[in-house]
Amino acid sequence: DTAVSQTPKYLVTQMGNDKSIKCEQNLGHDTMYWYKQDSKKFLKIMFSYNNKELIINETVPNRFSPKSPDKAHLNLHINSLELGDSAVYFCASKLGTNTEAFFGQGTRLTVV
Amino acid sequence: GQQVMQIPQYQHVQEGEDFTTYCNSSTTLSNIQWYKQRPGGHPVFLIQLVKSGEVKKQKRLTFQFGEAKKNSSLHITATQTTDVGTYFCAGAWSGNEKLTFGTGTRLTIIP
Repeated sequence: DTAVSQTPKYLVTQMGNDKSIKCEQNLGHDTMYWYKQDSKKFLKIMFSYNNKELIINETVPNRFSPKSPDKAHLNLHINSLELGDSAVYFCASKLGTNTEAFFGQGTRLTVV
Repeated sequence: GQQVMQIPQYQHVQEGEDFTTYCNSSTTLSNIQWYKQRPGGHPVFLIQLVKSGEVKKQKRLTFQFGEAKKNSSLHITATQTTDVGTYFCAGAWSGNEKLTFGTGTRLTIIP
């Protein structure tokens, strides 16, 4: 019973391609996030949705477009992939404010 | 912008020694959380501190929140090989759903 699941776990693709990462949570949470973790392990927030509405949009290239079809899903589409997009992308979710975040297993994206 | 600084970036200790990592925010936090990420894994929640001066313990781990709610620390007593990983603090501010992670402290244990 995976709480926050991401697919795929690994993604290797060429520069210029378009790819999507999917995230689903079965915890009944109302807030979902996308974080990017680079090779130095820095965790940077990219987007956050609350009840399907975008509430946080950090300085991220507009090649990245999140989509939340419902409260349980938050997908990330990336256009025209670049070498610098290589990283581990984590989806996370939580319920309400001042609560813990649950992370997915991560998607390791490698752009060649 | 709102940032959380964390030091040190790396810490190598002999098994059995103590370990401490520190977090600092330039502005008052609503709460601070701590997470542990094992090598190859994902961040896992450890604890949340909300009150000024709060101290919480989990076995060998002691978490503190400063009186001004701008800094926090995690102290591990008598480290074990299972403590290996990266420890992150994550700060939140009032009225803001954003959870901002510190830069992390990567702990390695020398057996």
